[in-house]
Amino acid sequence: KNEVEQSPQNLTAQEGEFITINCSYSVGISALHWLQQHPGGGIVSLFMLSSGKKKHGRLIATINIQEKHSSLHITASHPRDSAVYICAVFRTDKLIFGTGTRLQVFP
Amino acid sequence: KAGVTQTPRYLIKTRGQQVTLSCSPISGHRSVSWYQQTPGQGLQFLFEYFSETQRNKGNFPGRFSGRQFSNSRSEMNVSTLELGDSALYLCASSLVGTDRGDTQYFGPGTRLTVL
Repeated sequence: KNEVEQSPQNLTAQEGEFITINCSYSVGISALHWLQQHPGGGIVSLFMLSSGKKKHGRLIATINIQEKHSSLHITASHPRDSAVYICAVFRTDKLIFGTGTRLQVFP
Repeated sequence: KAGVTQTPRYLIKTRGQQVTLSCSPISGHRSVSWYQQTPGQGLQFLFEYFSETQRNKGNFPGRFSGRQFSNSRSEMNVSTLELGDSALYLCASSLVGTDRGDTQYFGPGTRLTVL
């Protein structure tokens, strides 16, 4: 079993829909990151969380430390949100990555 | 501020050769981390350097090594290349490092193909 699990693996949505991507981890962590990777490989760091909730534009990230779970929400999704979303947790001395969620938003 | 740059962007090598990849962090960032991304294994952490010292290391064989210079630029070296080393190699920089939960800024990556 992977230490970081994401669901769903693939997600399709119509423009305007509310999107939720989940990340569960099985180890103690000091921080959790959400990353976005566009076709072509470029990665952008969206959020770093150690507790609570953060919001940036249409993106919201939450984390529940007790339940070892984090969610990334996208409100009013748009085709430009199509990308792979990756959750990563920092444990002891390294970042451990989830396998990613591939999101496609259609107009 | 200029972003993280990586050179070269694409590289083709043959088995048994060695390769050196370069990463220039954002000005003022002292931490540089390296990652390998493959279709089968996804993203994996290679190592992190901070102020010229290797601070953290992932589970890769000794063929993978790196260093950081006094200007924070970093190089990664892979010796005795194997077919399985074909991957996208990404570096990321941050102010004080991943173990402090710092935001990382990723470079565009170097795509290495081993024939």
